[in-house]
Amino acid sequence: EAGVAQSPRYKIIEKRQSVAFWCNPISGHATLYWYQQILGQGPKLLIQFQNNGVVDDSQLPKDRFSAERLKGVDSTLKIQPAKLEDSAVYLCASSPGSRNNQPQHFGDGTRLSIL
Amino acid sequence: GQQVMQIPQYQHVQEGEDFTTYCNSSTTLSNIQWYKQRPGGHPVFLIQLVKSGEVKKQKRLTFQFGEAKKNSSLHITATQTTDVGTYFCAGPAGANNLFFGTGTRLTVIP
Repeated sequence: EAGVAQSPRYKIIEKRQSVAFWCNPISGHATLYWYQQILGQGPKLLIQFQNNGVVDDSQLPKDRFSAERLKGVDSTLKIQPAKLEDSAVYLCASSPGSRNNQPQHFGDGTRLSIL
Repeated sequence: GQQVMQIPQYQHVQEGEDFTTYCNSSTTLSNIQWYKQRPGGHPVFLIQLVKSGEVKKQKRLTFQFGEAKKNSSLHITATQTTDVGTYFCAGPAGANNLFFGTGTRLTVIP
């Protein structure tokens, strides 16, 4: 099966600019996650979707981050305006169901550098 | 909030030596998952443990879940250069998602 697709792979922007990332999950996977992984740390959940509804966005900095999954398939994550501390890899993952006992399948991520 | 701590943070071993990473939680876990992330890569699911005292093996990798379901370990026998990467445990965060540990970065010296 095709894996989780993400684009772009790399992005360099200046602080206060905006940026968007795209994710296409594994076909048939109802649940989609966006994670932020800062260098040397584990992935930190930003938002979880079940189909096109939000299950958990408690750790999403909503003043600057937004995400949508309008048709319940692919998703976009946006940062506006970016801050230096947003430099990280943004990982998208998907799983067949929404429970915490489901293995998650990750994409290659987008490495974001803020200048 | 939920926290899953891993030790050690880093481990350097000679090829052929064994390696163990430990994962500890302050609360009882309904399950625990292990992932491997190669340098520059993304986390890849390895295994899930559910039962108290459970032991699972994948070739040279042995995974254990503690009797109290508060800790887990991953042991690699006779490490190879292909084992290089960061190993994460992940425990439930609420009913619907996971909290990833801090990870153990393994370096294997040929």
